[in-house]
Amino acid sequence: DTGVSQDPRHKITKRGQNVTFRCDPISEHNRLYWYRQTLGQGPEFLTYFQNEAQLEKSRLLSDRFSAERPKGSFSTLEIQRTEQGDSAMYLCASSPEATNTGELFFGEGSRLTVL
Amino acid sequence: GNSVTQMEGPVTLSEEAFLTINCTYTATGYPSLFWYVQYPGEGLQLLLKATKADDKGSNKGFEATYRKETTSFHLEKGSVQVSDSAVYFCALKWGGGNKLTFGTGTQLKVEL
Repeated sequence: DTGVSQDPRHKITKRGQNVTFRCDPISEHNRLYWYRQTLGQGPEFLTYFQNEAQLEKSRLLSDRFSAERPKGSFSTLEIQRTEQGDSAMYLCASSPEATNTGELFFGEGSRLTVL
Repeated sequence: GNSVTQMEGPVTLSEEAFLTINCTYTATGYPSLFWYVQYPGEGLQLLLKATKADDKGSNKGFEATYRKETTSFHLEKGSVQVSDSAVYFCALKWGGGNKLTFGTGTQLKVEL
């Protein structure tokens, strides 16, 4: 399967713990995006990378959130000192650099539940 | 700021019925508009798009026309099938890269 893969698919943690999600994009895609989706809402943009450079971060991304893409391939999204409000589906998507068409290829998401 | 408003669901239809899911947007300038679909257990995927006023996007029997005068991009299908049951998201593209602003999604259930 050459689609976008995310791991873990579901994470349950206690408030105050740190969690990390991993995303493996489609191999030839230079751009990688993180979105967050809460219940009953559409996905909200968090941040995106072009290769290893983080080009933009949303105001939704508080200081407790950090995303990396160290070698321009996979990416990690870490949430420190989790809060109940962080409970959501975290979506990763990728796209080729050469196209600016708005077509993103999404993974199935990583669901975070903070108790 | 930019925003997308969709009709609330769930929408329940019988097979072969006509489908309309309303979508309106607020944006500065002229964004590109999209419909994404999420089938059960799968990631979101692009269904169709339109990049300028009066463009019609179409795919898999679905259509949507970019109406600048009404700032709308309603999704239509003449005859739905059970396999169309999914959540449909309207979205607009703004700024650089491929950043998208999504609506809240509309769940469609098609019954035999």
